[in-house]
Amino acid sequence: GAGVSQSPRYKVAKRGQDVALRCDPISGHVSLFWYQQALGQGPEFLTYFQNEAQLDKSGLPSDRFFAERPEGSVSTLKIQRTQQEDSAVYLCASSLEVYSYQETQYFGPGTRLLVL
Amino acid sequence: AQKVTQAQTEISVVEKEDVTLDCVYETRDTTYYLFWYKQPPSGELVFLIRRNSFDEQNEISGRYSWNFQKSTSSFNFTITASQVVDSAVYFCAWDSPRGATNKLIFGTGTLLAVQP
Repeated sequence: GAGVSQSPRYKVAKRGQDVALRCDPISGHVSLFWYQQALGQGPEFLTYFQNEAQLDKSGLPSDRFFAERPEGSVSTLKIQRTQQEDSAVYLCASSLEVYSYQETQYFGPGTRLLVL
Repeated sequence: AQKVTQAQTEISVVEKEDVTLDCVYETRDTTYYLFWYKQPPSGELVFLIRRNSFDEQNEISGRYSWNFQKSTSSFNFTITASQVVDSAVYFCAWDSPRGATNKLIFGTGTLLAVQP
């Protein structure tokens, strides 16, 4: 069956450029998470959607980061005016139910962003 | 604050050796969930196991086994008769139903290299 997919898999941006990262969750999954994984570190939470509602964006590092999920399925993470410290792997995860601690989060392959 | 510690940064073993990956967590919550994920070079996080805080029974799945001990706040993972395909980064993670968002808190991971 289809898992979580992300595109692009790799993105090189010049400092100051805007980028958009896409996540296609597993069909029917209510919860969607974005995580940021710096080199040699574990993933860190960025933001959470329940259907189309963004219920938690406490992990977004600055107002340059913006995420949306307008129809409750595909999600886009946008980073404006990229900085070198934004270089990381951005992981998307989805789970079936609202209370996702009861459910497994399924992860996509990630988008590796390099800002030069 | 909740914290997950994986003190072993890298482990190298020879094929067929047994290996144990350590995970220690800190929390004041009485209800919580612990996870192990595998991240192969392809980058996708693969779910291995989820345990809740009320179930301290050890679990075995093929060559994998997990030892959960609340008394020492540890959730260790053992691979028996390791294989080259086990080479990956392994992450321990924590989650709790308390709070608005059930986001995973990850350790920094242990890189396991299995040599042929």
